[in-house]
Amino acid sequence: QVQLVESGGGVVQPGTSRRLSCVASGFTFSTYAMHWVRQAPGKGLEWVALISNDGSNKYYADSVKGRISISRDNSKNTLSLHMNSLRLEDTAVYYCARDKVIINPSYYFDYWGQGALVTVSS
Amino acid sequence: DIQMTQSPSTLSASVGDRVTITCRASQTIYRWLAWYQQKPGKAPKLLIYKASSLESGVPSRFSGSGSGTEFNLTISSLQPDDFATYYCQQYNSFSTFGGGTKVDIK
Repeated sequence: QVQLVESGGGVVQPGTSRRLSCVASGFTFSTYAMHWVRQAPGKGLEWVALISNDGSNKYYADSVKGRISISRDNSKNTLSLHMNSLRLEDTAVYYCARDKVIINPSYYFDYWGQGALVTVSS
Repeated sequence: DIQMTQSPSTLSASVGDRVTITCRASQTIYRWLAWYQQKPGKAPKLLIYKASSLESGVPSRFSGSGSGTEFNLTISSLQPDDFATYYCQQYNSFSTFGGGTKVDIK
């Protein structure tokens, strides 16, 4: 069965960096675009970033552009999110999510990880 | 950017009720709309995509309708497992979620 398992969450200080990882299993990772979606405590969902199946295309929400980088290693079935210059408003549960459509990203998501909480606090 | 507005933000209902949640887009998104269910502490679950297509394994009491800028999610007969928060999402241009509708027990 499809599984997505995030790691790397924790408490960080403003202005610092953090890397989240998501290990995928149960499907051919290299054939799906992948996304990060976040949810601030008690708030709604916000799409953060997309990476195409082969890693050649990356897109970001305006709120994180320039501070966040998405990457993937298809040989290790791993998706990553590198977050720099973290702000208080980046505090959220970060979910990795699989695009529903094989190869061509559709921007909606059929499988989600359990989430990794990043708390930005001084 | 496309804005998504859900209404109501909270809905109180009883088991067996027919429930409808509305989602409006700030510009046309054709039928590029999905609905998700989220329970506390859990990841969202895809229910509906392309406005009215039921995701595999989702009970048939869930249905979606609409096109352009106005969309509905309907639960034909609310079950105990359906008390949750529901989000719409446009994917016509990148991705934007609505603010959510919490369905709680009346």
